[in-house]
Amino acid sequence: EAGVVQSPRYKIIEKKQPVAFWCNPISGHNTLYWYLQNLGQGPELLIRYENEEAVDDSQLPKDRFSAERLKGVDSTLKIQPAELGDSAVYLCASSRSFTGELFFGEGSRLTVL
Amino acid sequence: KNEVEQSPQNLTAQEGEFITINCSYSVGISALHWLQQHPGGGIVSLFMLSSGKKKHGRLIATINIQEKHSSLHITASHPRDSAVYICAVSSNTGNQFYFGTGTSLTVIP
Repeated sequence: EAGVVQSPRYKIIEKKQPVAFWCNPISGHNTLYWYLQNLGQGPELLIRYENEEAVDDSQLPKDRFSAERLKGVDSTLKIQPAELGDSAVYLCASSRSFTGELFFGEGSRLTVL
Repeated sequence: KNEVEQSPQNLTAQEGEFITINCSYSVGISALHWLQQHPGGGIVSLFMLSSGKKKHGRLIATINIQEKHSSLHITASHPRDSAVYICAVSSNTGNQFYFGTGTSLTVIP
């Protein structure tokens, strides 16, 4: 069974540029999460999807961040425009349901110059 | 206030030592997760438990629901166990996940 796939693994951009991250969860997993992880910190939730519905986006900075999960499978996370403070690892995770075991992707490391 | 507290924050051990990492939480939970993250690597789920004890090779996880406390034990530690170990809980109200800040473990040969 393939794991959670994220791309790109690394991205370097200048501030004010847009960036997008893509996540393909494990087949059959209804719940999808986007997390932000700063160095030495635990993951911080950005948004959680149940199928195609965003059920918790309270921590998503909606002025510059957006996400979508069309058809309840793949998801994209976009930042426009990026700021220096957005440099972090963006993690995608999925589970069969909210109470299920979490599976994480390798993450997308963003560096904003 | 953090809903999930881990201790210690950093831990250095000699190869072969028995290691314990502790996790306390303050919310009602449906499950507790122990996760492992190697430097520069992704996060791997080690255990998901809601009661009792689970064992995987040299790793043992226990949980005491009444005391809201869990421990992760590593027997006969090895340098490849060096990683950050993260405790996370899924709450039983509000559908929230809470993460600890992690315990950085270094096992010296």
